[in-house]
Amino acid sequence: EVQLVQSGAEVKKPGESLKISCKASAYSFTSYWIGWVRQMPGKGLEWMGIIYGGDSDTRYSPSFEGQVTMSADKSISTAYLQWSSLKASDTAIYYCVTSAMVRGVLNWFDPWGQGTLVTVSS
Amino acid sequence: QSVLTQPPSVSAAPGQKVTISCSGSSSNIGNNYVSWYQQLPGTAPKLLIYDNNKRPSGIPDRFSGSQSGTSATLGITGLQTGDEADYYCGTWDSSLSAWVFGGGTKLTVL
Repeated sequence: EVQLVQSGAEVKKPGESLKISCKASAYSFTSYWIGWVRQMPGKGLEWMGIIYGGDSDTRYSPSFEGQVTMSADKSISTAYLQWSSLKASDTAIYYCVTSAMVRGVLNWFDPWGQGTLVTVSS
Repeated sequence: QSVLTQPPSVSAAPGQKVTISCSGSSSNIGNNYVSWYQQLPGTAPKLLIYDNNKRPSGIPDRFSGSQSGTSATLGITGLQTGDEADYYCGTWDSSLSAWVFGGGTKLTVL
């Protein structure tokens, strides 16, 4: 069964850096895209961007370009999402998802990781 | 303000049928496949429908999807209390070169 397992909850202060992870198993990491989705408290889903496991080709949502950095290490089938300077408004649950891209178009998201809660508070 | 528009909430009695709409434009729903996601309280979203109307393995046929023009619809028949959840539509937007989600619809089974 294809599975995405994310790192645990984090509590950080504004201005601190953070890197969360998403480890994939039971599928060819280098053949698919790993995306990140944000869900702020009590709010809906927002697509942040996506990275290809094969060559780390990365596409960011315009809303998140420059705010976060996505990376991947195919040797351990793991994708990462990182912040260099967190803000209180980064408080949210972050989900990783798997997707395929056909002719430049992402199809659907399946499976989803269990989510990583990031809390940024002074 | 989401690119895709969903009603904030819908409700129906157990055993009844409900539909959830998702309205977009020619740059998204009008030219790309729609998928639907179910998010039960306190859990991660799960794929419910893909390619407008296909169900992944394990999803009961009480759930259905359709698409017409720039709108898509999720249908749920034989409602159960366990169907109470938030439902999201999503698709690729070719003008934005980005994935977009609807704002989500909260289903209450009365």
